[in-house]
Formats: sequence, C-alpha cells, structure tokens
Amino acid sequence: AQKITQTQPGMFVQEKEAVTLDCTYDTSDPSYGLFWYKQPSSGEMIFLIYQGSYDQQNATEGRYSLNFQKARKSANLVISASQLGDSAMYFCAMREGIIQGAQKLVFGQGTRLTINP
Amino acid sequence: DAGITQSPRHKVTETGTPVTLRCHQTENHRYMYWYRQDPGHGLRLIHYSYGVKDTDKGEVSDGYSVSRSKTEDFLLTLESATSSQTSVYFCAIRGTDYTFGSGTRLTVV
Repeated sequence: AQKITQTQPGMFVQEKEAVTLDCTYDTSDPSYGLFWYKQPSSGEMIFLIYQGSYDQQNATEGRYSLNFQKARKSANLVISASQLGDSAMYFCAMREGIIQGAQKLVFGQGTRLTINP
Repeated sequence: DAGITQSPRHKVTETGTPVTLRCHQTENHRYMYWYRQDPGHGLRLIHYSYGVKDTDKGEVSDGYSVSRSKTEDFLLTLESATSSQTSVYFCAIRGTDYTFGSGTRLTVV
C-alpha cells in the first residue's frame, strides 16, 4: 500500500501567488515525522521543512509552512508569495517510529511545480 | 559543505558489467541509505546501513549489494547491470534530518 501519496503530478502557478502542494500519508505508528524536499533542475535534494506527529503547532520555515491535519493524515506544503526560483520538483516523505533505528524515509511520487512570470 | 559526496557523478556502462557507486561522509553518522529515483516513483530505498558491516535490504534491493567497511564509506554494487537499473542514485545520511548527496546518474546500455 502506498504510504505517501502526492496526487498532483504537476502544478502551474503565477509568480507571487501562494501555492499548496498536497500530501497524504498512511501509517499505524503513532510516532512519525513528515518531511518536504525540493529538487531543482540541478538535481540535488534540498530539505525544506519537518513536522513531527506530536508537534502541537504547524511547522514554518520562512515562506514555507506545513498544513498538518493529523486526523485527515495530510501534510500539505504551503509556499507563500511564490518566486520563479520555486520552480522545482517537490517530494513529501515520511519517517516512522521514534525508537532508535534505521528510520527509513518513504517518499511520495513528487509534484512538479512551475512558477509562471 | 553538506559532508556527503557521491562518486562518480555520471557513468555509462554496458549490460552485464559490475558497477560500484561510492558514498562518502565526513559527519560520522551511523545511518546511511541508498535510494534510486525514477520518474513516477519518487525515491525508493535500495539498501541501508546502521553501522559498520551492518546493512539491510530496502524496497528495491534485487540486483544490488552493499558494503560498509568504514563508517564514512557506503558502497552500492550492481552485480550485473541491466537496463532497468538505469536511474539516478542518491545516498543519504541521517543526523537530525536526512542529508542527500548530489546523486549519480547511471546509464546502462
């Protein structure tokens, strides 16, 4: 079963608009972490933001925020005031468990975001 | 400097040949991972390591082996490369979050 689902293969947004990238997850573990990564055309994986399952508040990092709805099992990434440099592939990923261990990251299929001038 | 490097960055090889990709870290992290990235699949875990000589399989481990003889190095070997192993390979290390190498683009012809 798919553990991380990103339903938007591609999105097109006008510059300066806010954009929401969807991510839903599936886990029975009460302790988990959710990550978003950006992959520009150059190929590197850039960490954007992290949300722990027990965190009381939604995570924010500059223009990035994570809309965490635990009951719905969703962890959408919100980018405010989009810029041309935000054009990239975006991946949602999940880590399960807090016990010290391998804690493998499981990734969604990704969403390709294009910002239009 | 992210403290993790992959080599080579690009490689073209022939079907049936063995190939070894190297991941080197300077962070002294215990956990290291190999992923492959293919269109429509995101990143999928091949193998991971939780210490020197301690490794385990991931989701797509068939046709791959790994070795970790030193904390800083994690090697991925394609024992007999096939065209289906044409992909971009990423190594990652786990500290407070996960840091990825720059990737190796492997083409099997």
